Amino acid sequence: GIQVEQSPPDLILQEGANSTLRCNFSDSVNNLQWFHQNPWGQLINLFYIPSGTKQNGRLSATTVATERYSLLYISSSQTTDSGVYFCAVGQGWGKFQFGAGTQVVVTP
Amino acid sequence: EPEVTQTPSHQVTQMGQEVILRCVPISNHLYFYWYRQILGQKVEFLVSFYNNEISEKSEIFDDQFSVERPDGSNFTLKIRSTKLEDSAMYFCASKASSETQYFGPGTRLLVL
Repeated sequence: GIQVEQSPPDLILQEGANSTLRCNFSDSVNNLQWFHQNPWGQLINLFYIPSGTKQNGRLSATTVATERYSLLYISSSQTTDSGVYFCAVGQGWGKFQFGAGTQVVVTP
Repeated sequence: EPEVTQTPSHQVTQMGQEVILRCVPISNHLYFYWYRQILGQKVEFLVSFYNNEISEKSEIFDDQFSVERPDGSNFTLKIRSTKLEDSAMYFCASKASSETQYFGPGTRLLVL
């Protein structure tokens, strides 16, 4: 199956800082999503981004499918950005393979 | 915006008991999935379902698990005889085509 690696595993930020999370995958994919898992365990969909760049407020994401990686940018971080960020990849209508996640802690 | 719903949000059961987790996917979606997440670990695929049959299942999805779409709206996951290691968050997801998978809020299952 497709291997998904996320880095860094943990990230501690001060409020207002910017950060970049990375997702590498081992095979070509045509589905890629970034999720934020909130303290209640819910998976909040951030971006569907199998290729290209998208922005939503302080968050943006870029996927370079030919090089098999995706980046999630958090700018001007806030304490509400804390949680685990997951990258998930897949092919066609098949299953998602999730990475192990990046645990983000934003301190006031 | 339409969303995937799951019930119950929490369930506590005794080892050996049967549990049924329920999901209502988004109405025009065709592909349905169950995933689970053991506490502190990553999300793992269990099973996918299309056209009223299982299209793929993981090695986790053994004979103790089954899925069903009993009517036009519900999608259920049954665990026949729960084990302690079945304690996890279970997520249902659905999609219309080769685009976004929409995830439900999850059911937190605790087996005692």
